[in-house]
Formats: sequence, structure tokens, C-alpha cells
Amino acid sequence: QVQLQQSGPGLVKPSQTLSLTCAISGDSVSNNNAAWTWIRQSPSRGLEWLGRTYSRSTWRTDYAVSVESRITIKPDTSKNQFSLQLNSVTPEDTAVYYCARGSSWDLNYWGQGTLVTVSS
Amino acid sequence: QSALTQPASVSGSPGQSITISCTGTSSDIGGYNFVSWYQQHPGKAPKLMIYEVNNRPSGVSNRFSGSKSGNTASLTISGLQAEDEADYYCGSYRSSDTLVVFGGGTKLTVL
Repeated sequence: QVQLQQSGPGLVKPSQTLSLTCAISGDSVSNNNAAWTWIRQSPSRGLEWLGRTYSRSTWRTDYAVSVESRITIKPDTSKNQFSLQLNSVTPEDTAVYYCARGSSWDLNYWGQGTLVTVSS
Repeated sequence: QSALTQPASVSGSPGQSITISCTGTSSDIGGYNFVSWYQQHPGKAPKLMIYEVNNRPSGVSNRFSGSKSGNTASLTISGLQAEDEADYYCGSYRSSDTLVVFGGGTKLTVL
């Protein structure tokens, strides 16, 4: 059974960097049939797909254009986890952030969610 | 405003069937068979209920089924149970810079 455990701060100051980590058990971040994804959810924006990283002989990433200039999603094969960094945050980035495992374009396993508030 | 359009709420009595619609465009629902449905209970992460239009993951009740016609996908829940009361979201691949889009969610109330 795949399990995803998220960690990271729940409060970030405006203009700073939001950083979250998703530890994987029951699967490998290097699995060639999986895509490791970040999504966020807020009352104002609903569910929003942010991006993903995946291995298909080489590592690849896809990002939503809405955050493309500010986002980095990276795998860490030594720790079997992946991370999200979102730069230059504003209060509009306040949301519950989820990591998830996808196969094709669906998301079949989700982390527990982390409420991140952007406030000074 | 969400990329995919869902009704804000639906309701039904135990034992009845309900259908939730999700309308998109030819760039997403209408052009690809990558429609997913998620169930979310309050304070919990979404759970995949249907993938690729009409496929159920292992462990999901066969009371849940999906379909698609043109630019509109549908989720049908038969034999409603109290535990089905939750928010339901559709999602789809989109052939644009967004790649994955979601609906705004439908709150299902079991009367």
C-alpha cells in the first residue's frame, strides 16, 4: 500500500519560499509508471494542479503555467521522497497543499495535506 | 472560476441514484478519455473513485460508475448510502499549459 507523508512549515512570510516534502512508502520515486504531483486547494481557487516530476529513463517535470516561474518540484532518490518549492509567495498562495501519486493523469494516492498560510 | 463546470449541490435519499455532471471543452473532457472523479470528506484528502472515464480503482464500490458524452462527463452513484455524503470533484487532462484541470466540486447530501 502506497503511503505519502507530508512535512513542512505551516506559516510562510510574504515574498519568502514555501517548501514542502513528501516521503514515499510502499513505492519508489523512481517508478517508471508513476508521476509525483503537487496540488493545492483553497476556497477561492478550488483544486489546482501545480506540477509533477517523474522518471522515464530520465527525470522530467511538468508545471502549471500559473506558477511556472516560481515553482520547483524535485525528486530525492536517496530518501525516496520529492519536494515542492514555491518562491515569492503572496497571501494568494495560502491553501492546503497535497502531494499525490499519479498514474497517467489521475491521482490515486494522496498525502494528508498541509495547510500553508502566507502571512507576516 | 473553475475550468470544469459542476453543479454546486445534489441530493438524494438512501437507496436512490444520483448523477453529477462535469462539463468541459474539446480540449479536455471532449478530446481525451482522461476524466477522473474524486470523493472528499470534510478535513480529508480527496480519494480517487473513477479514472479514465469509467474505471474503478481496486476497493471502490461498484455503486460508483462514470461515463462521458461529448464534452460532459458524469458520475453516477447508485444505492445511495449515508457514507456517500461528501464533496465530489471531476478532473481531466487538458491539452494546454494547464495539463490537469478540476471542477469546482459538488456537495452531495444524503437526505
